[in-house]
Amino acid sequence: AQSVTQLGSHVSVSEGALVLLRCNYSSSVPPYLFWYVQYPNQGLQLLLKYTTGATLVKGINGFEAEFKKSETSFHLTKPSAHMSDAAEYFCAVKGGGFKTIFGAGTRLFVKA
Amino acid sequence: EAGVAQSPRYKIIEKRQSVAFWCNPISGHATLYWYQQILGQGPKLLIQFQNNGVVDDSQLPKDRFSAERLKGVDSTLKIQPAKLEDSAVYLCASSAHSTGAQNSPLHFGNGTRLTVT
Repeated sequence: AQSVTQLGSHVSVSEGALVLLRCNYSSSVPPYLFWYVQYPNQGLQLLLKYTTGATLVKGINGFEAEFKKSETSFHLTKPSAHMSDAAEYFCAVKGGGFKTIFGAGTRLFVKA
Repeated sequence: EAGVAQSPRYKIIEKRQSVAFWCNPISGHATLYWYQQILGQGPKLLIQFQNNGVVDDSQLPKDRFSAERLKGVDSTLKIQPAKLEDSAVYLCASSAHSTGAQNSPLHFGNGTRLTVT
């Protein structure tokens, strides 16, 4: 069985500051890991995904995530926050059976 | 490509009434999902279809919720009778994955926001 834990339901950063959103997972099989973003009144959109190979994954809008097997983590980062990054971010894991499990989400606030 | 289409966008009903949501996935996507997203929480899988067969409905409250995907294309999710705790956003997603493409991401519609009063 898989599960996802996102540390921090809310994160606030200043515009131009580093964004770090934390995600830890558990999976009984090698996982596929995803980050999705949700803007108000919209569905989720894929930011990036990790399958196999390179542990540093680059996504859209300048986001990237690093897969660390030893720490069972898949934290999302962006070097410089922009006001348009304010949204809710969800980490997700897919293991055996193609079932995708989502974390509870982290809402990112960006201060001017 | 056209995205996942859902309707209606908003629905307000009284408890014990019935409601239905419709979803049309991206053309060619074999797998369709219905998720329930309660305010402040992540999406929770209700049911997953592969073509027109059910793959997983372990978290679907079958005494009140039902879903079908006739002809393996669009899908309908129904709640009858609704309870206050059913107030949530119902998200439909589709994926191109098959047994050889487990890393295919989900493509979501904009959801239906249900309010039960």
